[in-house]
Amino acid sequence: DTAVSQTPKYLVTQMGNDKSIKCEQNLGHDTMYWYKQDSKKFLKIMFSYNNKELIINETVPNRFSPKSPDKAHLNLHINSLELGDSAVYFCASSQLAGGPYLYFGPGTRLTVL
Amino acid sequence: QKEVEQDPGPLSVPEGAIVSLNCTYSNSAFQYFMWYRQYSRKGPELLMYTYSSGNKEDGRFTAQVDKSSKYISLFIRDSQPSDSATYLCAMSEDGNKLVFGAGTILRVKS
Repeated sequence: DTAVSQTPKYLVTQMGNDKSIKCEQNLGHDTMYWYKQDSKKFLKIMFSYNNKELIINETVPNRFSPKSPDKAHLNLHINSLELGDSAVYFCASSQLAGGPYLYFGPGTRLTVL
Repeated sequence: QKEVEQDPGPLSVPEGAIVSLNCTYSNSAFQYFMWYRQYSRKGPELLMYTYSSGNKEDGRFTAQVDKSSKYISLFIRDSQPSDSATYLCAMSEDGNKLVFGAGTILRVKS
């Protein structure tokens, strides 16, 4: 059983397009995250939701908009894609009461041409 | 200066060697310290977690935190080729927002 799943796994698109990445967790966790990992493997938090409420919003362009329809899902929509958006995007979840353990999804490799 | 500094390597060792991986940090408010392992084309997975200072051991892995020096370490004993991966240190003030190091690439040669 996959704990944190993401779709799609790979996404290749043209500059200027709009795309979405979906994430689902079946761990019963309250908190979900989006992280971006650049080409140098540096992993940086973008957003965090707790029970569908946005609690962390790092300095991310407005073109990125997360949406959490329920506490098991956190989607990421990106408008007007730019070359610099190319990266691997990881969804993660945690149950804060149990400590800062993050369970990561397999990642979505986004390539903007 | 980055909040968390980690040598990216790569670090190449023979099978059976003891591996030492390290991170330094500048934020004295960090209370939670973690090591994640990331295999190629996979998501990171939690390896070790320590709250505040001290040592923690789990099998072949030992994590050490020295808050006075703002320095954390991960030791791997009897390293195996299956340990070849990128090791990411991560830290947090409140357990919610994690700040990651850049990751150290480890290669264990058989």
